[in-house]
Amino acid sequence: EAGVAQSPRYKIIEKRQSVAFWCNPISGHATLYWYQQILGQGPKLLIQFQNNGVVDDSQLPKDRFSAERLKGVDSTLKIQPAKLEDSAVYLCASSSGTNTGELFFGEGSRLTVL
Amino acid sequence: SQKIEQNSEALNIQEGKTATLTCNYTNYSPAYLQWYRQDPGRGPVFLLLIRENEKEKRKERLKVTFDTTLKQSLFHITASQPADSATYLCALDFTGGGNKLTFGTGTQLKVEL
Repeated sequence: EAGVAQSPRYKIIEKRQSVAFWCNPISGHATLYWYQQILGQGPKLLIQFQNNGVVDDSQLPKDRFSAERLKGVDSTLKIQPAKLEDSAVYLCASSSGTNTGELFFGEGSRLTVL
Repeated sequence: SQKIEQNSEALNIQEGKTATLTCNYTNYSPAYLQWYRQDPGRGPVFLLLIRENEKEKRKERLKVTFDTTLKQSLFHITASQPADSATYLCALDFTGGGNKLTFGTGTQLKVEL
């Protein structure tokens, strides 16, 4: 079974530039998450999708971050404009949608903002 | 707001010993708690889930306990091996079943020969 795919693995940009990350969850998984993990910290939930609807985006900085999940499969997370404090690993995860299911994470996309 | 506390200092133990990691949380108890392993440069990998009505869960050399009175979970690795060296994260769902996990900061475990 293929795992959660993310790209790119690494991205370096200047502040105020924009960046987009892509995630392809495990086939059939209804729930998709984007987490932000700053070095030395645990993952912090940015947004949770159930199929193509947003379940929770309360911690998403909506002035600069946006995410979509078209057709309930792939998802894209965008940052525009980026700030220095956005330097982090952006982790995508998916789950089968049961209310206590384990999360399957991708390898993450490491963003460095200079 | 909910807080999750894990030892921020790395835990160094000798091969063959039992490693015990702690996860404490504040306010009300979650419906269940999960433990994940994270290796450098990789995403977290699920290890175990324990529900609020379960006191203990085992899987091979791993054991998790969940004490809702103390608001604490303990994660044990018996007969530890250097390959167990990683960061271990606890994660809690405070939403009562929405599968929205809040993660702790993780504890780094180093198993030495």
